[in-house]
Amino acid sequence: SQQGEEDPQALSIQEGENATMNCSYKTSINNLQWYRQNSGRGLVHLILIRSNEREKHSGRLRVTLDTSKKSSSLLITASRAADTASYFCALQETSGSRLTFGEGTQLTVNP
Amino acid sequence: NAGVTQTPKFQVLKTGQSMTLQCAQDMNHNSMYWYRQDPGMGLRLIYYSASEGTTDKGEVPNGYNVSRLNKREFSLRLESAAPSQTSVYFCASISGRLVRAQETQYFGPGTRLLVL
Repeated sequence: SQQGEEDPQALSIQEGENATMNCSYKTSINNLQWYRQNSGRGLVHLILIRSNEREKHSGRLRVTLDTSKKSSSLLITASRAADTASYFCALQETSGSRLTFGEGTQLTVNP
Repeated sequence: NAGVTQTPKFQVLKTGQSMTLQCAQDMNHNSMYWYRQDPGMGLRLIYYSASEGTTDKGEVPNGYNVSRLNKREFSLRLESAAPSQTSVYFCASISGRLVRAQETQYFGPGTRLLVL
């Protein structure tokens, strides 16, 4: 299975601190995506990084991809209580448009 | 533009009952997906439809059937519900115009199913 493995499973920080979540995988990918899920809600796409990209920014989000180590990280800077959610990495298979999701990191930002 | 919609939002079934979860998208997307999410876990793909008229099994297809009714609608049916199918079900869609398209999936709000 290409399922991404996320680390840590849970992360608790204070408002204003940075949060870093990691995703590792085992095979080649077309791209890697990060999604957020607020409690009881559906998933919302955050950012997509292609296999030929190394870093990407979107607002307070920074994503890196190291294809040699088969790993990605999501950094949320200057976190806010509203960032409290589960964050999932998803791998797009090279053979098509299917996505394989990791088990997620539960982020809690304390005010 | 409502995106991806799912009905019902919540359902309670008894073991052995059947039901159909409905999903529709108004984005003219080619590919549609059904996932289940269990507590503390990521999403697992049940079935998907790469294009109208085709369906394929995902990771956990047993106990489910699907129908791609038309380009907009993709339904998931539980013929004989079991407690192990208690979960949250998400439908998603993607344009999928190109095989290697760098695209994101759009998700519905989910259906919470409890099987007693």
